[in-house]
Amino acid sequence: DIVMTQTPLSSPVTLGQPASISCRSSQSLVHSDGNTYLSWLQQRPGQPPRLLIYKISNRFSGVPDRFSGSGAGTDFTLKISRVEAEDVGVYYCTQATQFPFYTFGQGTKLEIK
Amino acid sequence: QLQLQESGPGLVKPSETLSLTCTVSGGSISSSSYYWGWIRQPPGKGLEWIGSIYYSGSTYYNPSLKSRVTISVDTSKNQFSLKLSSVTAADTAVYYCARGDQFYWGQGTLVTVSS
Repeated sequence: DIVMTQTPLSSPVTLGQPASISCRSSQSLVHSDGNTYLSWLQQRPGQPPRLLIYKISNRFSGVPDRFSGSGAGTDFTLKISRVEAEDVGVYYCTQATQFPFYTFGQGTKLEIK
Repeated sequence: QLQLQESGPGLVKPSETLSLTCTVSGGSISSSSYYWGWIRQPPGKGLEWIGSIYYSGSTYYNPSLKSRVTISVDTSKNQFSLKLSSVTAADTAVYYCARGDQFYWGQGTLVTVSS
């Protein structure tokens, strides 16, 4: 199984400041088809998860451009350029390279200082 | 816009079988090449993938739950279902259904295992 490890697990951020979350996989997420199936989900309090980023860096429909994803191989990063109050919640990285077996990171709680 | 909605009992007794259904609207389960899956989240904890199904009926399960899980599909009703047998308190969670690429999720339904 591919293990996904996120850091930090908690991230207090000042409104308007940037935030960054890292995700490391226990093995390369490059699929035999050449794609890397690494996604980022956002879960606001009391809400279901919502897709933010897929295949490392592609923003899903309606996702603000202050969210960006980067990385390759086993190391990935989600960045928020300027944190807004509505960004509070838990962020998960998830892999689908072992499709249809999925695994999730532990989650990173983003909170406002 | 594709929508998914979970339904089923919110309370299940220990040792019994948990049964949930996910109804898909705004698109057909069988008209695309997507898998459809179940994910759960115990209170205050992270996400756990349970299993996935293709419209043809091919299934894949989390090895840690495989002995207790059955996922099925009913293309005539545009639904897929989850059965989890021999439940314990550890199976108390919010259960979500989602399209396999995780582009679309249901709102989730809380299932509590208690006598």
